Amino acid sequence: DTEVTQTPKHLVMGMTNKKSLKCEQHMGHRAMYWYKQKAKKPPELMFVYSYEKLSINESVPSRFSPECPNSSLLNLHLHALQPEDSALYLCASSQDSSGNYGYTFGSGTRLTVV
Amino acid sequence: GENVEQHPSTLSVQEGDSAVIKCTYSDSASNYFPWYKQELGKGPQLIIDIRSNVGEKKDQRIAVTLNKTAKHFSLHITETQPEDSAVYFCAARLYNFNKFYFGSGTKLNVKP
Repeated sequence: DTEVTQTPKHLVMGMTNKKSLKCEQHMGHRAMYWYKQKAKKPPELMFVYSYEKLSINESVPSRFSPECPNSSLLNLHLHALQPEDSALYLCASSQDSSGNYGYTFGSGTRLTVV
Repeated sequence: GENVEQHPSTLSVQEGDSAVIKCTYSDSASNYFPWYKQELGKGPQLIIDIRSNVGEKKDQRIAVTLNKTAKHFSLHITETQPEDSAVYFCAARLYNFNKFYFGSGTKLNVKP
């Protein structure tokens, strides 16, 4: 299995809703990432997990809450989002957190906040 | 931090022609440079990468060159095909720091 699987593919949520994005990989990768991508822009790093521990938080607002239950799963919990949070949310993984390996990205969750 | 600039922002070529995308980086401590291809509605896909101890790397129709002195690296696609149409991102990583700095992207259109 050489894929990163993200669910759901599309999500529409109101500003008072609570929702979660899920990411799964079975490549034995020990680093996992959340990225945010706006239209026609490069991906922006949000969080890095290394060996299931949060190692980088790029000053992301607390309405985004990451969780890594085990080495294969990564969640992003969403609460009280704003319309400007609408974007493509990408999960990625890499062999380890050394940065010596490229990422395998999922296809993303297209989030719309109304 | 690192700053990566990518040019051109759009590139249109005829099928069979070559395409070249160029990136420059600012921090000489960067030592790993991947290239990603992103098709519409999909996540970025790693297509080739190069490390700072290598000047050139080739994989079939795709090649990447690195000039450490000038701090620039380029993606070369030969014999382009319509399925090469996508957005391409370059990236750079600072030594011993697990964060990639992405270029702004190049939209490549290969006309049949």
